[in-house]
Amino acid sequence: DTAVSQTPKYLVTQMGNDKSIKCEQNLGHDTMYWYKQDSKKFLKIMFSYNNKELIINETVPNRFSPKSPDKAHLNLHINSLELGDSAVYFCASGQRGYYEQYFGPGTRLTVT
Amino acid sequence: DAKTTQPPSMDCAEGRAANLPCNHSTISGNEYVYWYRQIHSQGPQYIIHGLKNNETNEMASLIITEDRKSSTLILPHATLRDTAVYYCIVRDSGAGSYQLTFGKGTKLSVIP
Repeated sequence: DTAVSQTPKYLVTQMGNDKSIKCEQNLGHDTMYWYKQDSKKFLKIMFSYNNKELIINETVPNRFSPKSPDKAHLNLHINSLELGDSAVYFCASGQRGYYEQYFGPGTRLTVT
Repeated sequence: DAKTTQPPSMDCAEGRAANLPCNHSTISGNEYVYWYRQIHSQGPQYIIHGLKNNETNEMASLIITEDRKSSTLILPHATLRDTAVYYCIVRDSGAGSYQLTFGKGTKLSVIP
């Protein structure tokens, strides 16, 4: 069974569109994360979220918003996509209080 | 959080031990050393972590110097599948958000 899954694996879309990436974890963790890996391979945290607290990296544009229907899911919604949003987005989960995190396979977003 | 320094790249012969160094000379008493790796086109993978004692699990061993200013990740018998970027991360156990901050890491190439 896949511990952390993401859909879709690839996403190609045009500038200005709105898109969502879904993430699910079956590890029973209470905290989920979104990371962005750009073309230079730098991996940066975007959000961390549990049912009590959303922590947003201050560099993340407000066009990006995490949405969590329940503890096992954290979706990433992006409005008005820009060329610079092209990257690989990774979802991760962990237990609050620990830095041991489990990552999904990534979603490669290409904005044209 | 303490800054870490890793060599940008290393080679290792298949079947030999891979020793990946990490310098964290400004580490404080509450900070743990974590190691992750990212195999090409996959999400990062947790390997091991430690505070001051040496640690071993099924994947690797972590050797932390007595002054805790540096550490070495050891893959005892490297295989081609261990080719990846290895990240050394130092984080405070009481940091709150438990977000990971990835540096540039060390690109390990295991050579047949």
